[in-house]
Amino acid sequence: EPEVTQTPSHQVTQMGQEVILRCVPISNHLYFYWYRQILGQKVEFLVSFYNNEISEKSEIFDDQFSVERPDGSNFTLKIRSTKLEDSAMYFCASSVTSGGGGTQYFGPGTRLTVL
Amino acid sequence: QQQVKQSPQSLIVQKGGISIINCAYENTAFDYFPWYQQFPGKGPALLIAIRPDVSEKKEGRFTISFNKSAKQFSLHIMDSQPGDSATYFCAATIYGQNFVFGPGTRLSVLP
Repeated sequence: EPEVTQTPSHQVTQMGQEVILRCVPISNHLYFYWYRQILGQKVEFLVSFYNNEISEKSEIFDDQFSVERPDGSNFTLKIRSTKLEDSAMYFCASSVTSGGGGTQYFGPGTRLTVL
Repeated sequence: QQQVKQSPQSLIVQKGGISIINCAYENTAFDYFPWYQQFPGKGPALLIAIRPDVSEKKEGRFTISFNKSAKQFSLHIMDSQPGDSATYFCAATIYGQNFVFGPGTRLSVLP
C-alpha cells in the first residue's frame, strides 16, 4: 500500500540553524500539507501546497518557514532560523483531491528538537 | 470560529465496552469531519469520516453520529479492545483544506 514517507525521523539542531524536513508524498497525489504537533498537544495545520504554490497557510507559517517541491517526488519544509519553540513533530500529508473531503494520508513524522 | 472542541481529554474503558468521544464546532462552512487515530510515535491515520448531509456513518465497530443543528459530532467505538488504545482526534475542514483538529482524546482500553 502506498504511503507518505518522511526523513529524517529525528533531527536535532541548534537554535538559529536552518533545517530542511523532507517528505515523499504518495505518487499520484496532487495536494501536499505540513502539520506540526507539539508534544502532547493537538495537530496544527501549517501550510497546503498545490500546483507548485502555497494554497493556504496558517498564522504559524511565518517568514521563517518555506516549502518547496524541488522535483517530482519530494516536498520539503524549511525552517530558516530555528527557535526553541519550533521543537515538535512535523507531519507531512498528501491527498489526491482537496474538494469533497479529499482524504489526507499522513507520514510518520519528523521529530525536530531545537537545543 | 475555526476551533473544534473535543471531550473528554482522556477516557478509560473496559474491554468490550463502548467508547464515546464528542466534538463540537462553530463554523457552519465546515463540510467534512474526519476522525483520526494516532498511536505513540506515529502519524495520525484516518479512521472514519462524515459529511454534514448524513446523520450517521458506520464502519465496523466505529460509528460517527452527526447532529448538524447542534453542530456536534461524536465517535462511538463498540466492543472496545486494548488495541484501540490510542489518541483520537476529530477534525473539520472546508473543502478539504486547512484541517482544524480537536485537542485529542487519549483512550485506554483495559484488558
